[in-house]
Amino acid sequence: GAVVSQHPSWVICKSGTSVKIECRSLDFQATTMFWYRQFPKQSLMLMATSNEGSKATYEQGVEKDKFLINHASLTLSTLTVTSAHPEDSSFYICSASREFGEVGIQYFGAGTRLSVL
Amino acid sequence: AQSVTQLGSHVSVSEGALVLLRCNYSSSVPPYLFWYVQYPNQGLQLLLKYTSAATLVKGINGFEAEFKKSETSFHLTKPSAHMSDAAEYFCAVSESRYTGFQKLVFGTGTRLLVSP
Repeated sequence: GAVVSQHPSWVICKSGTSVKIECRSLDFQATTMFWYRQFPKQSLMLMATSNEGSKATYEQGVEKDKFLINHASLTLSTLTVTSAHPEDSSFYICSASREFGEVGIQYFGAGTRLSVL
Repeated sequence: AQSVTQLGSHVSVSEGALVLLRCNYSSSVPPYLFWYVQYPNQGLQLLLKYTSAATLVKGINGFEAEFKKSETSFHLTKPSAHMSDAAEYFCAVSESRYTGFQKLVFGTGTRLLVSP
């Protein structure tokens, strides 16, 4: 159980276009989802926390108008990279959180590699 | 602010040898600590977690980790490596146990290589 699906796994787009990435919890409801970004040979960096039905909370330095997050249901959160530029090329990973005993556990999607030409 | 340091971007062991992956953390409050494993083209999978219930934590696939407050460490071990253990391992820390406030801070990861 606790499967998180992320789609697409790889996307290539032209500079200036927008790209939407979906994150779905397949077998559980997640009131909270997280979006991370990973640069080559670096750690995952939290971009934003997404709660169902409310606005996302962005980490310092993350442009909320560039990275639009929507968490419309308990099983789906989307990240839209607007007007993408080559510097937005990266590996984006989502997670969905659920309670597991005394602590919440985050379950991760396989990630989306974005390449902006 | 919390942080995680994983010493060694790559660790190589022979099949059957002891696996030791190091993780040191920094946190202003009692931490919650996690080890995740990532296989190629797959999402991060939880290996084990520390929540203050016990300092020695056992996880899946024969892995375990010991929380040492005095050393601010949470090293991951496995007595005997298997070829299938080859993967990327991430240590993470959180200052909250609640799902809505659980900001995970990750280390840079350690790639475990297992040779026959």
